[in-house]
Amino acid sequence: AQTVTQSQPEMSVQEAETVTLSCTYDTSESDYYLFWYKQPPSRQMILVIRQEAYKQQNATENRFSVNFQKAAKSFSLKISDSQLGDAAMYFCAYYSGGSNYKLTFGKGTLLTVNP
Amino acid sequence: DAMVIQNPRYQVTQFGKPVTLSCSQTLNHNVMYWYQQKSSQAPKLLFHYYDKDFNNEADTPDNFQSRRPNTSFCFLDIRSPGLGDAAMYLCATSRDHRANEQFFGPGTRLTVL
Repeated sequence: AQTVTQSQPEMSVQEAETVTLSCTYDTSESDYYLFWYKQPPSRQMILVIRQEAYKQQNATENRFSVNFQKAAKSFSLKISDSQLGDAAMYFCAYYSGGSNYKLTFGKGTLLTVNP
Repeated sequence: DAMVIQNPRYQVTQFGKPVTLSCSQTLNHNVMYWYQQKSSQAPKLLFHYYDKDFNNEADTPDNFQSRRPNTSFCFLDIRSPGLGDAAMYLCATSRDHRANEQFFGPGTRLTVL
């Protein structure tokens, strides 16, 4: 079974600084997708960024980028120029046909942004 | 705007009293999911519908049931809520089983007294 591990329960960053959230996963499949979801306090979960495993290029969405290391099964999220609105719980998630078409989430990292 | 709507946002029920949570979507997506999220934990998939096909997770208690009368609506029924069922319940949709984005609703916070 696939597993997703987020080893940092909490992280903090100063406003305008850069922070990296870690995620590792375990799978025997070669074709899969990885996601970072953001869940602000009392607000709904939204997709931050998505990476297809077959793509070597790291995904980027504005201030958010990933470092996808397929051989190491690592998928970290970098947030540049952190803003107060980035404060949230961040979940790393894995998806593939072999996982019966369901998202497997990590336990999450709570990000605090300090002014 | 197209969206996923959950009603009510907050639900209080008594121990053992059946409760129904509602989810609707204007995205016309084929797949609808129900997740249970307890405090400071990751969402846990309970079941999902691909169109009218129901897919239950192996570890979802029988106490939890679901209905999808049409494409737009999906309901979560908890037949006899226990104190351990207090949680946030999230509804999500996706266009199909391919790795398209899942769109989440705001959730329903269930309290069991």
